Amino acid sequence: QKEVEQDPGPLSVPEGAIVSLNCTYSNSAFQYFMWYRQYSRKGPELLMYTYSSGNKEDGRFTAQVDKSSKYISLFIRDSQPSDSATYLCASSETSGSRLTFGEGTQLTVNP
Amino acid sequence: DGGITQSPKYLFRKEGQNVTLSCEQNLNHDAMYWYRQDPGQGLRLIYYSQIVNDFQKGDIAEGYSVSREKKESFPLTVTSAQKNPTAFYLCASTAWGTGPTGGYTFGSGTRLTVV
Repeated sequence: QKEVEQDPGPLSVPEGAIVSLNCTYSNSAFQYFMWYRQYSRKGPELLMYTYSSGNKEDGRFTAQVDKSSKYISLFIRDSQPSDSATYLCASSETSGSRLTFGEGTQLTVNP
Repeated sequence: DGGITQSPKYLFRKEGQNVTLSCEQNLNHDAMYWYRQDPGQGLRLIYYSQIVNDFQKGDIAEGYSVSREKKESFPLTVTSAQKNPTAFYLCASTAWGTGPTGGYTFGSGTRLTVV
C-alpha cells in the first residue's frame, strides 16, 4: 500500500466551478501536509502547507487536513483556466524530512 | 535570483550508455533530492543528501548513482544498469529544519529518453 494515495483523474471542470482534490495517507506519523502545483513540463511549486489537522485559506485556495480519517483536501473556488495543472499532495513526519508524494491529479479548467 | 538549475532540459541516451544529469542550487540549502516522475506514478525518490559528502538511497536507487562534493551541486548518473530510464527527472532542495514554510524548491526537470 502506498503511504499517500491520490486519484490521478483526469478532472475536467468549467470555469468558475469549485474544485475538490483529495488524498488519503496511511502513515500516522505524518504531521506536515503540502500541496504542490505542477504545470506541464515544469517542476512542481509549493502551493500550500498545513501542520497537523485544520484548515488553511489563501485566496481562492483552501487546504484541509483531517488526521482522524487521514484525509487531505484542497479546494479551489472560482476556478480559472490558469489553474489547469497537475496537483500533488505530499506529507512528511517532521519539518525538513523527506516528503512522500501522491500520484498527482491532472486538472483542466475549461473556459 | 536564487533557484535550482537542472541541465540539460532534454537528454537522449543510447542503450548501454551512462549519462549524468546536472543539478545546481544557489539557495544555500542543505538537503538535495532526486525524483523520477512517470505518468500515473507520481514522484518517486531516487537519492537524497542532507549534507556534503553524504547521501542515502531512496525508494528506487537501483541503476543510479550520485555524488555530493559541494553543497551547491548534486549530479545524478543514470547507469546502463537502469533498464527503463526514460522519464522526467526532478531535482529539489530544502533548508534543513526550516519547518513547513520551507517546503521543497524544485528545478525545471530533465526529460531523459532512451533511443
